Amino acid sequence: QVQLVQSGAEVKKPGASVKVSCKASGYTFTSYYLHWVRQAPGQGLVWMGLINPSGGSTSYAQKFQGRVTMTRDTSTSTVYMELSSLRSEDTAVYYCARKQLGTPFDYWGQGTLVTVSS
Amino acid sequence: EIVLTQSPGTLSLSPGERATLSCRASQSVDSSYLAWYQQKPGQAPRLLIYGASSRATGIPDRFSGSGSGTDFTLTISRLEPEDFAVYYCQQYGSSPLTFGQGTKLEIK
Repeated sequence: QVQLVQSGAEVKKPGASVKVSCKASGYTFTSYYLHWVRQAPGQGLVWMGLINPSGGSTSYAQKFQGRVTMTRDTSTSTVYMELSSLRSEDTAVYYCARKQLGTPFDYWGQGTLVTVSS
Repeated sequence: EIVLTQSPGTLSLSPGERATLSCRASQSVDSSYLAWYQQKPGQAPRLLIYGASSRATGIPDRFSGSGSGTDFTLTISRLEPEDFAVYYCQQYGSSPLTFGQGTKLEIK
């Protein structure tokens, strides 16, 4: 069965970076783009960007340009999202989700809580 | 960027009642690439509807979606206790992908 399993919760200080992983299984890793969506406490869903696991190309939301980097490791079917220069407003649950062109997000990871606090 | 506005913000209904949730887009959504998700506390969103009106695998037929262009609706015909949650619409036809702010469906 399709699974997206994310790394565990993180606590970071302002100005630091965090790297969250998302390990895919149960399907052909390179057949689906993987996206990152975040949700601040009590707030809605915000799209951060995507990575094409096949070639590694990325596209980031303007809001996160310059601070986010998405990478993948095809040998382990894992994608990574690194967010730098963390501030308190980055405290959120970060989700990975898979998608193909013209389709919605059909599977999501369980989410990773990132807390930014001094 | 396509802005999605959901209404109402909160909907208070009783089990067995009909729920109607609205999602309005700031510009036309390409090819009805509009989805609805349900989210319960502590869980990831779950896909309910895609292509504005197609139910995702395993979704009960009490959930239905309609609309095109800029106006979309999610209808739950007879509310079950497990339906009380937050619902989000999303457009996935153009970048950046965007979500509505959510409608909280609560028990009256």
